Amino acid sequence: ETGVTQSPTHLIKTRGQQVTLRCSSQSGHNTVSWYQQALGQGPQFIFQYYREEENGRGNFPPRFSGLQFPNYSSELNVNALELDDSALYLCASSPDPGANTGELFFGEGSRLTVL
Amino acid sequence: QQQVKQSPQSLIVQKGGISIINCAYENTAFDYFPWYQQFPGKGPALLIAIRPDVSEKKEGRFTISFNKSAKQFSLHIMDSQPGDSATYFCAASNNNDMRFGAGTRLTVKP
Repeated sequence: ETGVTQSPTHLIKTRGQQVTLRCSSQSGHNTVSWYQQALGQGPQFIFQYYREEENGRGNFPPRFSGLQFPNYSSELNVNALELDDSALYLCASSPDPGANTGELFFGEGSRLTVL
Repeated sequence: QQQVKQSPQSLIVQKGGISIINCAYENTAFDYFPWYQQFPGKGPALLIAIRPDVSEKKEGRFTISFNKSAKQFSLHIMDSQPGDSATYFCAASNNNDMRFGAGTRLTVKP
């Protein structure tokens, strides 16, 4: 059973640039959620994708967008990067969209630094 | 955005001692309360979870106590070991939105 994998593991961008982060969900999981974890803080919910459609969104601006592909892998795109976007971005997969029906399986994250 | 308050921010416990981490939530619609453990450089991993229809759940050395009327829940780690040293996050969820606490950095001294 393959776990959740994310890429890249680390990246550095400058303010105003755009970034794409990728996630492969665990085998058998059709739902992917993205979280932002600032240093010393808990993960904050960005959005969730289920069957290629956005299925819930946290309090993040529209410059945070995503995609889910037929194989359930997912991308997180952030446009017009700001310094405060520097964080660990976590992808979590689950076998169904309801977070309250079971655990989330997290990847190791992509650490983004915006200079 | 934080709807789950967690304390303490950091905790140091001697090996064999009891570690206690507390959380409080605001939204009464939350109906699933997990605890996640995170080691440096890793993503969070589910440790134990509880639903509001029970007041306590125990798995090995880990116990969740849940007080629905007070909107509080806590994690107890019995016989704490140096390998338990990690950051612990409580969380609460309803449907597809899981809210995490700010985390507790636990250090267990040998």
